[in-house]
Amino acid sequence: GQNIDQPTEMTATEGAIVQINCTYQTSGFNGLFWYQQHAGEAPTFLSYNVLDGLEEKGRFSSFLSRSKGYSYLLLKELQMKDSASYLCAALDSNYQLIWGAGTKLIIKP
Amino acid sequence: SQTIHQWPATLVQPVGSPLSLECTVEGTSNPNLYWYRQAAGRGLQLLFYSVGIGQISSEVPQNLSASRPQDRQFILSSKKLLLSDSGFYLCAWSVSGREVETQYFGPGTRLLVL
Repeated sequence: GQNIDQPTEMTATEGAIVQINCTYQTSGFNGLFWYQQHAGEAPTFLSYNVLDGLEEKGRFSSFLSRSKGYSYLLLKELQMKDSASYLCAALDSNYQLIWGAGTKLIIKP
Repeated sequence: SQTIHQWPATLVQPVGSPLSLECTVEGTSNPNLYWYRQAAGRGLQLLFYSVGIGQISSEVPQNLSASRPQDRQFILSSKKLLLSDSGFYLCAWSVSGREVETQYFGPGTRLLVL
């Protein structure tokens, strides 16, 4: 079957760095998305990786290892507004998105 | 720029009542359209997607249905709601014609079935 695993909840301190991991098992693979979802709101797009390596976008970076079926989202200089759920989703061989349950990130002052 | 609207924002309905949720997209033509449901603490479950007017693919057999009467309008319906239909319903769009495209979400409808 197809599966996405990510931690349910993480806590970090304002100003620090946090890494949110995601492992995936899909029928084929055509890339991996990260979305941010604040409580009660819609998910918003953060990043898309299809090649191995790290892609940086300001305070947020996303990493992919296709051979390991692994990705992570790195958030630097954490701010209180970064408190949200972070959803990992893999695109399978049929170009269908397989979604993880999300990681709730709690930022403490 | 493109925008996506959903209404209503919240809805409380009794079991057995009908449902109609509407989604419209502005600023783009012939988008791919999606309906998702998100239960509390769970991932997104794809319910329906559409690549064009009148073309609907169902991912999960259930008492819900979808229609696309116009290019940028997507409607989710039910004739008789169940308690298990409660959840956060999200409509999304993506550019058509390409296999890998980012999906952009509407604000969502929170449905509570009592």
